Amino acid sequence: QIQLVQSGAEVKKPGASVNISCKTSGYVFSNYAIHWVRQAPGQRFEWMGWINGGSGYTEYARNFQGRVTISRGTSASIAYMELTSLRSEDTAVYYCARGGRIRPLDSWGQGTLVTVSS
Amino acid sequence: EIVLTQSPGTLSLSPGERATLSCRASQKIGSNYLVWFQQKPGQAPRLLIYDASSRATGIPDRFSGSGSGTDFTLTISRLEPEDFAVYYCQQYATSPWTFGQGTKVQIK
Repeated sequence: QIQLVQSGAEVKKPGASVNISCKTSGYVFSNYAIHWVRQAPGQRFEWMGWINGGSGYTEYARNFQGRVTISRGTSASIAYMELTSLRSEDTAVYYCARGGRIRPLDSWGQGTLVTVSS
Repeated sequence: EIVLTQSPGTLSLSPGERATLSCRASQKIGSNYLVWFQQKPGQAPRLLIYDASSRATGIPDRFSGSGSGTDFTLTISRLEPEDFAVYYCQQYATSPWTFGQGTKVQIK
């Protein structure tokens, strides 16, 4: 079955960077995109961007441009999301999800809690 | 960006009752590219409805979606104990993709 398994929880200091992985299985990675979405305490879900699993094309939300980089593994069905210059407001659960350019997010990773604290 | 506003914020109902959740968009959502998710505490969202009215794989037929343009509705015909959760709408027609603030369906 389709699975997206994310890396574990992280605790970071302000100004640091975090890199989260999303290992996929059960489908052809290159036929879909991987999106990244976060959910901060008491806040709405916030879409961060996506990567086309086949072409590697990326698109980022304006709120994160310059701070986020989404990439994919060279040989494995895995995607990564790096967020730099972390601040306390970046404390959230980060999710990867399978979708497309105009395809719904139909399978989600389990989420990765990132805590930013001095 | 498209702002999605869900109502009510909380719905208190009993098992067996009908739940009607609303999602209103600040502008028309092209091709009705709107989904509904269910989220339970500590879990990832689960896709229920896509393209406003199509049920995702494995979703019981007590869940139905309707609407077009700017007004969308999720209906749960008869609430089961496992349906008490938070429900979110989300549009994927226009970048940036945006989410509603959620409706909590709780046991009365």
